[in-house]
Amino acid sequence: GENVEQHPSTLSVQEGDSAVIKCTYSDSASNYFPWYKQELGKGPQLIIDIRSNVGEKKDQRIAVTLNKTAKHFSLHITETQPEDSAVYFCAARLQGAQKLVFGQGTRLTINP
Amino acid sequence: GAVVSQHPSWVICKSGTSVKIECRSLDFQATTMFWYRQFPKQSLMLMATSNEGSKATYEQGVEKDKFLINHASLTLSTLTVTSAHPEDSSFYICSARALLRGTRYEQYFGPGTRLTVT
Repeated sequence: GENVEQHPSTLSVQEGDSAVIKCTYSDSASNYFPWYKQELGKGPQLIIDIRSNVGEKKDQRIAVTLNKTAKHFSLHITETQPEDSAVYFCAARLQGAQKLVFGQGTRLTINP
Repeated sequence: GAVVSQHPSWVICKSGTSVKIECRSLDFQATTMFWYRQFPKQSLMLMATSNEGSKATYEQGVEKDKFLINHASLTLSTLTVTSAHPEDSSFYICSARALLRGTRYEQYFGPGTRLTVT
């Protein structure tokens, strides 16, 4: 089955700098890759997603890139703000499947 | 986006009792709902997938007789933890699959329920 690896497990950046979180997946049949942000004591919130027919997607300060050949995708947050501090999860879903396979999560801390 | 609610947000129960957690999709119909369990500082562990009107599909290692899942309507799924024990204490999160843009499915999560068994 699908396996998703996420790095780094923790990331600390200065406010205003950029943050990058990377994930790799094992099954080339995966075609949907969402990113979730989870704040303490809350459920995950979908912040951006990308499908295998595109290589990059951007939404204001957040962008996701996908390299199908290398089977990895990344989340980029620019101009980071304290409210970006949270745990971020990547996920992958096989074409035709219902369930998502999650990465291990990255705890992002933005230092003021 | 789509809104998923859970009730209760937190619950404390005594060992041996049963607890029911409700998950509702508020502004869309969800043919598929998922139940996850999350331990502190860990990722989400899928417990089961439920499709409206049919029996839930449990992940390997999840006791179906202990974690009863019912998906009675397109907007409601329930998880009942039967004969709860302290090791069942965890953060339970439901998720619903939404078809919001044509044929594009997205998955939205509820706020979670903190269960503490004493």
